[in-house]
Amino acid sequence: DVVMTQSPLSLPVTPGEPASISCRSSQTLLHSDGNNYLDWYLQKPGQSPQLLIYLGSIRASGVPDRFSGSGSGTDFTLKISRVEADDVGVYYCMQGLVTPWTFGQGTKVDIK
Amino acid sequence: EVQLVESGGGLVQPGGSLRLSCAASGFTFATYSMNWVRQTPGKGLEWLSYINTNSRSIYYADSVKGRFTISRDNAGKSLYLQMNSLRAEDTAMYYCVRDGNPAFVYFDCWGQGTPVTVSS
Repeated sequence: DVVMTQSPLSLPVTPGEPASISCRSSQTLLHSDGNNYLDWYLQKPGQSPQLLIYLGSIRASGVPDRFSGSGSGTDFTLKISRVEADDVGVYYCMQGLVTPWTFGQGTKVDIK
Repeated sequence: EVQLVESGGGLVQPGGSLRLSCAASGFTFATYSMNWVRQTPGKGLEWLSYINTNSRSIYYADSVKGRFTISRDNAGKSLYLQMNSLRAEDTAMYYCVRDGNPAFVYFDCWGQGTPVTVSS
C-alpha cells in the first residue's frame, strides 16, 4: 500500500499568519497523464471531511483562494496564506493513484 | 443541494452483520461512482470500497475483502454496504462518499456518517 506521511501532526497557528502542511507518499503519485493524484481534505470539528484540493493543486468549488496546493511526485504541500479562525480542524492528504486509496495521519490545526 | 444520508449503523456483537444504507439527493446519482470510508480515532480515515456507476467495477480494501459487500440501486438513488463477520476493529464512523470525477479520484461529497460499534 502507498503510505502517506504528513508533517507536522499538530500545528498551532496565529490568525493572519501563513501555515504550511507537508505530505509525502511512499511512491510517486504522478500519473502518466501528467496529473498528481493527491487530494487534501479538511475535517472541521464535529463535521465530516470536506474536499479542499484535488489533483495536487486544483481548488474544489467554493474553497477560498487562501488555500493552495503544490508539489509533484512524492512531495506535496498545502499552504494557507493567511489563517482564519474558521480554518481550524484536521487536514488530511489522500492518494488516489492506486487502490487501496490511502490517507495521511492528519494534521491538527488550531489557534494559538 | 447535494446530500448523502447514511443509516443502519448501531451496536452489533462480534461475528454479527449490519447493512448500511446511503440515500443520495440533489444530484444524478446514477452518473457518479461511490465509496465507503470509515474513521476511527486510532487509525484515522480508511477507504473501504468503491463501486462505479453500473456496478461492474468494484474494489475493496484488504481489511474488509470477503466480509463486506458494496452495492447500489441507481433507480432508488441508494448505496449500500453489507457488513458480515464483524470484528471489534470494525468499530468506526462509516461515511458514504461521492467520487467527484470518473477519470480521477477525489471525494467531493461526504455524508454525515453512521456509527458502528462491534462489542459483546
